[in-house]
Amino acid sequence: ETGVTQTPRHLVMGMTNKKSLKCEQHLGHNAMYWYKQSAKKPLELMFVYNFKEQTENNSVPSRFSPECPNSSHLFLHLHTLQPEDSALYLCASSQDPGREREKLFFGSGTQLSVL
Amino acid sequence: AQKITQTQPGMFVQEKEAVTLDCTYDTSDQSYGLFWYKQPSSGEMIFLIYQGSYDEQNATEGRYSLNFQKARKSANLVISASQLGDSAMYFCAMRPSGNTPLVFGKGTRLSVIA
Repeated sequence: ETGVTQTPRHLVMGMTNKKSLKCEQHLGHNAMYWYKQSAKKPLELMFVYNFKEQTENNSVPSRFSPECPNSSHLFLHLHTLQPEDSALYLCASSQDPGREREKLFFGSGTQLSVL
Repeated sequence: AQKITQTQPGMFVQEKEAVTLDCTYDTSDQSYGLFWYKQPSSGEMIFLIYQGSYDEQNATEGRYSLNFQKARKSANLVISASQLGDSAMYFCAMRPSGNTPLVFGKGTRLSVIA
């Protein structure tokens, strides 16, 4: 148990659906992250929020829309996804993203399948 | 550009033996941090060990140690006395200096055999 909880664990959606992924951290951290993990590819950073402000958007398509209402909660809103968006979506948090030795704490991820 | 290379897609090791997982990195920064994470089948990424580029000693955490060779830009993970529960994906990652995010390698799948 790392203190980062993601729901749902699994999600199957059609290309016309709208769904949301939720992440909550109980560690008192200031930064939260979304990563995408596709088969046989390195983890791809999608978004970073620091003190609720988005500080990184790694050229992510607009069909992915993040929301960070406070430092403990992070959402990823999904709409009109493509089959190639099927992947494991991992949420992470850290105390201070500016520190070199700062380690991330990850959730268990949401396994997303787009049909 | 920052890059992490893990050349071993999969590794097998006998229980109770030691195993080395390779990691090389590419950066022009003088100051950076290196990390290893473990990802079991449950999906969660678990932090294992950290090495700073200016740390004089190789990092150790229990059965995990990091063989850091700065001139060769390598940061290999050594797991001693392997256990069945060590079977998982292992990812090497690097954070260059400044407010930059972690860069991950593609990972190595370790299978421990009884």
